[in-house]
Amino acid sequence: ETAVFQTPNYHVTQVGNEVSFNCKQTLGHDTMYWYKQDSKKLLKIMFSYNNKQLIVNETVPRRFSPQSSDKAHLNLRIKSVEPEDSAVYLCASSPGGSAETLYFGSGTRLTVL
Amino acid sequence: GDKVKQSPSALSLQEGTNSALRCNFSIAATTVQWFLQNPRGSLMNLFYLVPGTKENGRLKSAFDSKESYSTLHIRDAQLEDSGTYFCAAEANSAGNKLTFGIGTRVLVRP
Repeated sequence: ETAVFQTPNYHVTQVGNEVSFNCKQTLGHDTMYWYKQDSKKLLKIMFSYNNKQLIVNETVPRRFSPQSSDKAHLNLRIKSVEPEDSAVYLCASSPGGSAETLYFGSGTRLTVL
Repeated sequence: GDKVKQSPSALSLQEGTNSALRCNFSIAATTVQWFLQNPRGSLMNLFYLVPGTKENGRLKSAFDSKESYSTLHIRDAQLEDSGTYFCAAEANSAGNKLTFGIGTRVLVRP
């Protein structure tokens, strides 16, 4: 049963454009995450938010920024996309502050032309 | 992918047979999670493990923190078991973030 909802499923855009991906979880979890899955299927954490506080921020480019209105929502904005940003972006949530059982959304596939 | 090594990288199974996937860790893993990513891309959590074993239906997983490995056994493989299986480890040295392996692609043939 899906409880982490991502939109859109797919997005195609040109280099230099701004994009925004949405994520909402209905599990009442305290922590949400954004992962990037590259063409080799490797999953790498980008951000995590716990009670609206950024607690993990890997060395991602500054053009990426997470945006949260409450603990159920964590959006991802990419300002001025680059070709290497083409990937699948997966949102996840977990009950607490550490990497407990993760529940993933279905992902947003970004293609940058 | 180097800190969490999955094997094999790909596996083809006849329906109804059994198989095992393995993860070796070069970090001091404290917990392990196994996920299945289906062909549509959705990632489903299969197991969350502290050292020990868990079983769920036809799947069984073990995590040995001293020997730094985890296994996932598939019994009586079904077509819907096809997909990519990921293991991920949490380690204090990694700030309790999850480090993922690169996955094992499993294809179950009729």
